[in-house]
Amino acid sequence: AAGVIQSPRHLIKEKRETATLKCYPIPRHDTVYWYQQGPGQDPQFLISFYEKMQSDKGSIPDRFSAQQFSDYHSELNMSSLELGDSALYFCASSWPPTSGPTHSSYEQYFGPGTRLTVT
Amino acid sequence: AQKVTQAQTEISVVEKEDVTLDCVYETRDTTYYLFWYKQPPSGELVFLIRRNSFDEQNEISGRYSWNFQKSTSSFNFTITASQVVDSAVYFCALSEAGAQKLVFGQGTRLTINP
Repeated sequence: AAGVIQSPRHLIKEKRETATLKCYPIPRHDTVYWYQQGPGQDPQFLISFYEKMQSDKGSIPDRFSAQQFSDYHSELNMSSLELGDSALYFCASSWPPTSGPTHSSYEQYFGPGTRLTVT
Repeated sequence: AQKVTQAQTEISVVEKEDVTLDCVYETRDTTYYLFWYKQPPSGELVFLIRRNSFDEQNEISGRYSWNFQKSTSSFNFTITASQVVDSAVYFCALSEAGAQKLVFGQGTRLTINP
């Protein structure tokens, strides 16, 4: 079965540089979520999109922005990178609330993650 | 506010032992969803199970079983006859209806020794 695709898988940037992470959801999933997982930490919700509109926002720094495109893929743009931004960034996708198996819209399937290292 | 607590930071057992991972949650919503995810050393997050707040039936899937008790706000996960491949960090998570974002517990690092 198709899974969530994230690219790149690994990224090394220097302080103050910018980075763009991409996420391609499972086909027919129209909700995308971004999470950040620091070393030894649990994943923290950043932002989500449903039908190309921002649906929820968590602890996302103002230096970060994201969007969802017409083909439902999403990009997370990170500017003025700081050492503390080094983390594993996950994208997840889920079914639309009005279709798919009952209540399955709350099942989030995660991509393999992008490991960002800021030096 | 939502909160998930996994009090066991690390657990280490010998292969074939049974092991239970504890999860306690807090929410003011009457409709919510509970999840368990597995994160092996390779780093990906693997979905294991979703349980709805209005369905307190326990579930068994092979060697895995889940015990959901609303009275104690707990959603515990038991692995029977553990295997080395079960070694991973396990996260319990909560999602409130309408919010959809997942709030994770701190995770429990499970090590199964041969």
